[in-house]
Amino acid sequence: DGGITQSPKYLFRKEGQNVTLSCEQNLNHDAMYWYRQDPGQGLRLIYYSQIVNDFQKGDIAEGYSVSREKKESFPLTVTSAQKNPTAFYLCASSMGVNGGLAKNIQYFGAGTRLSVL
Amino acid sequence: KNQVEQSPQSLIILEGKNCTLQCNYTVSPFSNLRWYKQDTGRGPVSLTIMTFSENTKSNGRYTATLDADTKQSSLHITASQLSDSASYICVVSGEYGNKLVFGAGTILRVKS
Repeated sequence: DGGITQSPKYLFRKEGQNVTLSCEQNLNHDAMYWYRQDPGQGLRLIYYSQIVNDFQKGDIAEGYSVSREKKESFPLTVTSAQKNPTAFYLCASSMGVNGGLAKNIQYFGAGTRLSVL
Repeated sequence: KNQVEQSPQSLIILEGKNCTLQCNYTVSPFSNLRWYKQDTGRGPVSLTIMTFSENTKSNGRYTATLDADTKQSSLHITASQLSDSASYICVVSGEYGNKLVFGAGTILRVKS
């Protein structure tokens, strides 16, 4: 899992509760990403950030929020508006989105499994 | 619609045998294609990455091929080991390498 740390490994959410998943990287990467993985489906992009204090919605951003106040950190909040949050969440980072193939290789964390109580 | 289809969905082979996993894509424009290995409960780890002009790329016992004309790729695993048991994910990049389209993966189980 390289230098990307996700925590916690397992998380339980109660009805109406917001929960925050942590993602920290020490690879000095500019870009960071959040994906959701459901059984039998490919990873789907929730949010991504190319630079500090900037982020863009991915394909399934509804019910989620992010912040990028530091280069190393990209926390994901699963809000109460996300009605089906049970999934495996993966954080990834890459050197940069432009300027060369090697810079675009994404390195993934170990994931956080979120379940609803 | 940009899609990546992988086959088979799952596969069981005996230790020491070879196997080939398939990936077909409709992503356009095409930038590059990657194969990742994902152990159960872990994040994916990159195995190979190929651009339009590359036909084959190897990483140890893993060899990926790419036919950009037919939009097909394969991942060949030679002399399989128990540690090869994992999900293998084909990922196609459509623009500048940051927007990725993921296949659902092929679950490989290697038995002794």
